[in-house]
Amino acid sequence: DADVTQTPRNRITKTGKRIMLECSQTKGHDRMYWYRQDPGLGLRLIYYSFDVKDINKGEISDGYSVSRQAQAKFSLSLESAIPNQTALYFCATSDLKTGSQETQYFGPGTRLLVL
Amino acid sequence: AQSVTQLGSHVSVSEGALVLLRCNYSSSVPPYLFWYVQYPNQGLQLLLKYTTGATLVKGINGFEAEFKKSETSFHLTKPSAHMSDAAEYFCAVNGGGFKTIFGAGTRLFVKA
Repeated sequence: DADVTQTPRNRITKTGKRIMLECSQTKGHDRMYWYRQDPGLGLRLIYYSFDVKDINKGEISDGYSVSRQAQAKFSLSLESAIPNQTALYFCATSDLKTGSQETQYFGPGTRLLVL
Repeated sequence: AQSVTQLGSHVSVSEGALVLLRCNYSSSVPPYLFWYVQYPNQGLQLLLKYTTGATLVKGINGFEAEFKKSETSFHLTKPSAHMSDAAEYFCAVNGGGFKTIFGAGTRLFVKA
């Protein structure tokens, strides 16, 4: 089984709809991240969480919100989706305790299309 | 602050030829440097990383990268390309904190 899973893998929605993307991990890592990937722009950080009570905005958090329901679960919500939020979204985890120097472990991604 | 520049959004090589993907970084502190690979319809996975010590780093699938502080570079190489190497490759830098900065990516095409 995959260590980091994302649901759904693909989603089509309409402008103005609320949508939630979910991420679960079995790696036991404290740190979790949400990125979006756009062609030619690489990965940009949306939100990150160091533990259940510690959630922080990344560089492009406007229009997004997150919830860390448990150590293993980190959800990303688009409160009112707009077309320029069409992108590939990745969840990732990392664990500094093992001295891994912030190696990140990625889920398979969610491809979102906002019409 | 850190930043990463990958030279070339697309690189095409013939099977068996040398692969060279270029990455330059800037960092105000000694960096940790990474190469990740993304195969179609998959997430990113770690190819190799440099933290401290030996500047030539070997990774999976025959790839290696050399940290050159004087040139602020961390180029990725493989002596002989294989069709299965076709993917997108991302260079990334971390300054020892929580935030990893990713480059824009280089898509590698391998011709038969």
